[in-house]
Amino acid sequence: GDSVTQMEGPVTLSEEAFLTINCTYTATGYPSLFWYVQYPGEGLQLLLKATKADDKGSNKGFEATYRKETTSFHLEKGSVQVSDSAVYFCALMRMDSNYQLIWGAGTKLIIKP
Amino acid sequence: GAGVSQSPSNKVTEKGKDVELRCDPISGHTALYWYRQSLGQGLEFLIYFQGNSAPDKSGLPSDRFSAERTGGSVSTLTIQRTQQEDSAVYLCASSSRQGAPLGEPQHFGDGTRLSIL
Repeated sequence: GDSVTQMEGPVTLSEEAFLTINCTYTATGYPSLFWYVQYPGEGLQLLLKATKADDKGSNKGFEATYRKETTSFHLEKGSVQVSDSAVYFCALMRMDSNYQLIWGAGTKLIIKP
Repeated sequence: GAGVSQSPSNKVTEKGKDVELRCDPISGHTALYWYRQSLGQGLEFLIYFQGNSAPDKSGLPSDRFSAERTGGSVSTLTIQRTQQEDSAVYLCASSSRQGAPLGEPQHFGDGTRLSIL
């Protein structure tokens, strides 16, 4: 079945460091891919998305490129801030099914000043 | 605000009791989803409502779980005879339309944290 695999956390970085959170997926067809973020004490928020191969989603300085050849959707940011500390979830949505999201387990990111 | 609203935000109950969790989606959203998030885990799909269509209940873990959506808006998730393994955060999400080719995102509520003693 469809699945999403994320790198395990927590990931701890210093402010202004470069961030990569790996995400790979297994799915039939051509899913849409999403990154959601959950800040401490808050609900899940959509961070960015990509709906077809080679699309790049971007928001708040974060980027992720839909790579069908490597079935990946890695999240990157060039210079992280303390305020980026959160849990990040990678997810896919199959467009030929019931539109449920298949989720990765989440990666906790801790940014130290 | 106009986001997805869930209540209660926290619920503590004894094993064996029934609980009801409520979700009020964004006005006009036709699709509504329930998920469960256990500690340290990703989200587990439970059930999906789309308009007046029969709901997709394929993710419900047992027949103790049920959900309904009245008038195409508010939804209630009911867990009967609760067990300790039901302890989790229950999240509701809504989206504006099914079939959107651009992968219409789901908008989440803050969840209900359920603790079974």
